[in-house]
Amino acid sequence: QKEVEQNSGPLSVPEGAIASLNCTYSDRGSQSFFWYRQYSGKSPELIMFIYSNGDKEDGRFTAQLNKASQYVSLLIRDSQPSDSATYLCAAHSTGFQKLVFGTGTRLLVSP
Amino acid sequence: GAGVSQSPSNKVTEKGKDVELRCDPISGHTALYWYRQSLGQGLEFLIYFQGNSAPDKSGLPSDRFSAERTGGSVSTLTIQRTQQEDSAVYLCASSPSSGSLDTQYFGPGTRLTVL
Repeated sequence: QKEVEQNSGPLSVPEGAIASLNCTYSDRGSQSFFWYRQYSGKSPELIMFIYSNGDKEDGRFTAQLNKASQYVSLLIRDSQPSDSATYLCAAHSTGFQKLVFGTGTRLLVSP
Repeated sequence: GAGVSQSPSNKVTEKGKDVELRCDPISGHTALYWYRQSLGQGLEFLIYFQGNSAPDKSGLPSDRFSAERTGGSVSTLTIQRTQQEDSAVYLCASSPSSGSLDTQYFGPGTRLTVL
């Protein structure tokens, strides 16, 4: 069983719509969660991190964390074609100083 | 300031050869991580350094893989007797420390192809 699960997609949304990316994790002790964006052939770049239950907003991005359900999500408002990429969810592993990554969700935003 | 740098950007080698991959972290970052990303896969943790020591080597796939870090800065990942299954992008990341709230910043990666 993977420790961090994501739907591989692709998730297709029209330009201007809200894209909702989801992630579940198995380690109940994980304290912090990170969303990275990865364009094809490029390295991951940080979008947001969250460690408290609830919502955290940054511009067009909102991260949501529900520790009881072991669920993390990323909402992208007013999606743009430039948002088309693979989005990686990562959990900071309890007791170990490493990030455990999901396999990523590919997002396609059509003009 | 400068980000994480890695060299070479691409490496093609023959099966059985040894390769060295280099990572230069962000200045002042004490924690350094190596990950591997195979085609269409997520990132697989390999090893983590805090300063020059490696508290967690749990992700190294076999004893052909080793890594060191000197001076609390540059790290080298060495793969001996490379195999075709070692082909992947090797990513290095650094963070200010190793706490759970510390963001890891990634370098551009080294694409390794073993023929």
